[in-house]
Amino acid sequence: GAVVSQHPSWVICKSGTSVKIECRSLDFQATTMFWYRQFPKQSLMLMATSNEGSKATYEQGVEKDKFLINHASLTLSTLTVTSAHPEDSSFYICSARWGGRGEQFFGPGTRLTVL
Amino acid sequence: SQQGEEDPQALSIQEGENATMNCSYKTSINNLQWYRQNSGRGLVHLILIRSNEREKHSGRLRVTLDTSKKSSSLLITASRAADTASYFCATDPQQGAQKLVFGQGTRLTINP
Repeated sequence: GAVVSQHPSWVICKSGTSVKIECRSLDFQATTMFWYRQFPKQSLMLMATSNEGSKATYEQGVEKDKFLINHASLTLSTLTVTSAHPEDSSFYICSARWGGRGEQFFGPGTRLTVL
Repeated sequence: SQQGEEDPQALSIQEGENATMNCSYKTSINNLQWYRQNSGRGLVHLILIRSNEREKHSGRLRVTLDTSKKSSSLLITASRAADTASYFCATDPQQGAQKLVFGQGTRLTINP
């Protein structure tokens, strides 16, 4: 299957700082990328959907000013957690899809810990 | 909100046995997908089954889909310790935006 990478794989930061997570599709052009967060022993919760060159669509309850998403190219999407707080600590996973409905390919995830 | 409900939430079996996990959903779908997640890792795509398909195989995996009952099952035959992971079903709804809706997952433990 296609490969999606995330960077960094883990990050620890102080409360109040901003953290950027990158998601890259390495061997295909992703028309759509998705960002999820996952709490321990729980399922994935979709945060937002981003299409290349357009604004992200956020799920209900997700603060768009808090979680900034930029999908600048067909192979790169970034999630910036602004002014992070301990409650933002979570596992963030991106996925990418080429074309219409079909398989999504997931990145390995980024573990964010906010002290 | 999560559409899929998976059953059981946790399953522990002996190596070599078969493992069956079930997924139910509420709305009409285009397809249903099964993923595996090892602890602390990303998701690995296992199988996609379309709404007009009833059964699909991939190696030791067998997936069934019953759209009349809005349910799917994942069978892992001859389980191995390496199959220990969480398994999620995800549905692609016919209505609305093209985004997957994940179930709560089944935590599978294979005991050697």
